[in-house]
Amino acid sequence: EAGVTQFPSHSVIEKGQTVTLRCDPISGHDNLYWYRRVMGKEIKFLLHFVKESKQDESGMPNNRFLAERTGGTYSTLKVQPAELEDSGVYFCASSQGAAGGNTIYFGEGSWLTVV
Amino acid sequence: GQQLNQSPQSMFIQEGEDVSMNCTSSSIFNTWLWYKQEPGEGPVLLIALYKAGELTSNGRLTAQFGITRKDSFLNISASIPSDVGIYFCAGWGYNQGGKLIFGQGTELSVKP
Repeated sequence: EAGVTQFPSHSVIEKGQTVTLRCDPISGHDNLYWYRRVMGKEIKFLLHFVKESKQDESGMPNNRFLAERTGGTYSTLKVQPAELEDSGVYFCASSQGAAGGNTIYFGEGSWLTVV
Repeated sequence: GQQLNQSPQSMFIQEGEDVSMNCTSSSIFNTWLWYKQEPGEGPVLLIALYKAGELTSNGRLTAQFGITRKDSFLNISASIPSDVGIYFCAGWGYNQGGKLIFGQGTELSVKP
């Protein structure tokens, strides 16, 4: 069974450009999460989808970040326009039920560098 | 927002030594989790704890859910070089919805 897959694995873009990160959750997982880790800091929650609906987007930093999950399958996270402080690793994760009692599986991350 | 304080931030140890790291919070959690992240990989779940006072082992790893529900520790016994990585604690509470709150991570280096 395929795990959570993310694309691209690495991206280097200039300040002001746009980047779109993609996540394919484990098949059958209704819950999809985006997290981010800035160098040396904690892994921070960005948002949570249940199927195609945004359950909680309280962690989204600002309106330069837009997440979608069309059809409740894969998800995209777009950063437009990118700023230097957006650099970090963006993790996608999925679970069958909600967090807490269910195992959350993480992807390998999309490493974003904004220069 | 809620924060988890994880310590130490980094550890440099000799192969064969035991390791201990912990997380504390000002808030109560219902689930404590410990993850390991290796270079170029995403976090992988090591141990999940669901009850206050619970002590759970996974091979050379042992973790406990604090009685107060506000802390947890992870011990690694007889460390080996492949234990190298970043260890994260994470907490989940009923009032958190679907999200996990992570600690800052403990970076472990093991010298052969």
